Amino acid sequence: DAKTTQPTSMDCAEGRAANLPCNHSTISGNEYVYWYRQIHSQGPQYIIHGLKNNETNEMASLIITEDRKSSTLILPHATLRDTAVYYCIAGAYNTDKLIFGTGTRLQVFP
Amino acid sequence: NAGVTQTPKFRVLKTGQSMTLLCAQDMNHEYMYWYRQDPGMGLRLIHYSVGEGTTAKGEVPDGYNVSRLKKQNFLLGLESAAPSQTSVYFCASSYYRGRNEQYFGPGTRLTVT
Repeated sequence: DAKTTQPTSMDCAEGRAANLPCNHSTISGNEYVYWYRQIHSQGPQYIIHGLKNNETNEMASLIITEDRKSSTLILPHATLRDTAVYYCIAGAYNTDKLIFGTGTRLQVFP
Repeated sequence: NAGVTQTPKFRVLKTGQSMTLLCAQDMNHEYMYWYRQDPGMGLRLIHYSVGEGTTAKGEVPDGYNVSRLKKQNFLLGLESAAPSQTSVYFCASSYYRGRNEQYFGPGTRLTVT
């Protein structure tokens, strides 16, 4: 599985869009990009995943660059409840497991 | 649906004691996973299972054993607990290969003294 690189921490004002970057320059053609988040002390929560097209669901949008070497998770209107650690993971379609890194700690402030 | 549940929520063990953590899911998922999370670190995969009766090693399997006798349950055993196994343990499940969205339980906080 490709290694991903994320900033250690980020801040975002409540109500603004939070844009969380992820670098996965060694991603291979059959690897998806998955995003999870973990709110303090809770189990991680799946957010979204994509292969090469941009994806949107009720929680977030995922923008993947054309060369697929990086992506951005967008929370369109961040709230205080979005304060969490966000994990970006690259995993093959047919993988049996996902490898979590250390993620980005997003702090949403009033 | 309860989703993924874990038993117990908290436990304190003495070095050398044994215990079993239970994970149960009611979503008919094929895959199940055990992770540990230490302070300031991400999740590390201990063992996983791709179906009833199967298990496989993850990144940090030493000191743990697992069993998947029933599809809905995945047990994690510590035969002789060590202080280095003090951690928060998370269980997760997912549908099958190709649908890797994992659903996590609330965690078990284990302290080994």
